[in-house]
Amino acid sequence: EVQLVESGGGLVQPGGSLRLSCAASEFIFSNYAMSWVRQAPGRGLEWVSTISGSGGSTYYADSVKGRFTISRDNSKNTLNLQMNSLRAEDTAVYYCAKSIIGYFRGFDIWGQGTTVTVSS
Amino acid sequence: QSALTQPASVSGSPGQSITISCTGTSSDVGGYNYVSWYQQHPGKAPKLMIYDVTKRPSEVSNRFSGSKSGNTASLTISGLQAEDEADYYCSSYTSSTTLVFGGGTKLTVL
Repeated sequence: EVQLVESGGGLVQPGGSLRLSCAASEFIFSNYAMSWVRQAPGRGLEWVSTISGSGGSTYYADSVKGRFTISRDNSKNTLNLQMNSLRAEDTAVYYCAKSIIGYFRGFDIWGQGTTVTVSS
Repeated sequence: QSALTQPASVSGSPGQSITISCTGTSSDVGGYNYVSWYQQHPGKAPKLMIYDVTKRPSEVSNRFSGSKSGNTASLTISGLQAEDEADYYCSSYTSSTTLVFGGGTKLTVL
């Protein structure tokens, strides 16, 4: 079964750092762009970042640019999100998602999400 | 990048058809045929229902269809069923090489 499983969420203080990971299985990981999408409590979806299949191209929302870094390890079928200088407004469920085709045309596979809480 | 505009809520009775609109600008919805729609049930991950404005993944019911006119995209659900009750989000590629989501629409099946 095609699957994405996120990990690494937790409670962190403002200004702190956290690294999220997403393990992919049952598809050719390197063939597809991957993304992170977050959802704050009781709020809508917000795109965070996208990385190409090779890892050579990355894209970020303005709200996280300069603080978050997306990366991937195609040898381990793993997607990562390094989050630095965290703020209260970064509190959300973070989903990793696979692009159906291209980069931004639709996300057909989603993980179950991992919760990040930024609070003192 | 401002969020795309969706109605906060829509409702319909079983068997009826409903349409959810998603309004953007010429820099996103109107400029590209890269609009997608997602269904999200409470506590669950989103599910892709429509991509590239009108295309439907194979596992999605043909009761779901998408369209676009100018800067507004639409999702139509025909033959409304109880299990369609969920939140729906649109998204679009933008001229800034980013992705923007709509604020979401809560569908209630009466």
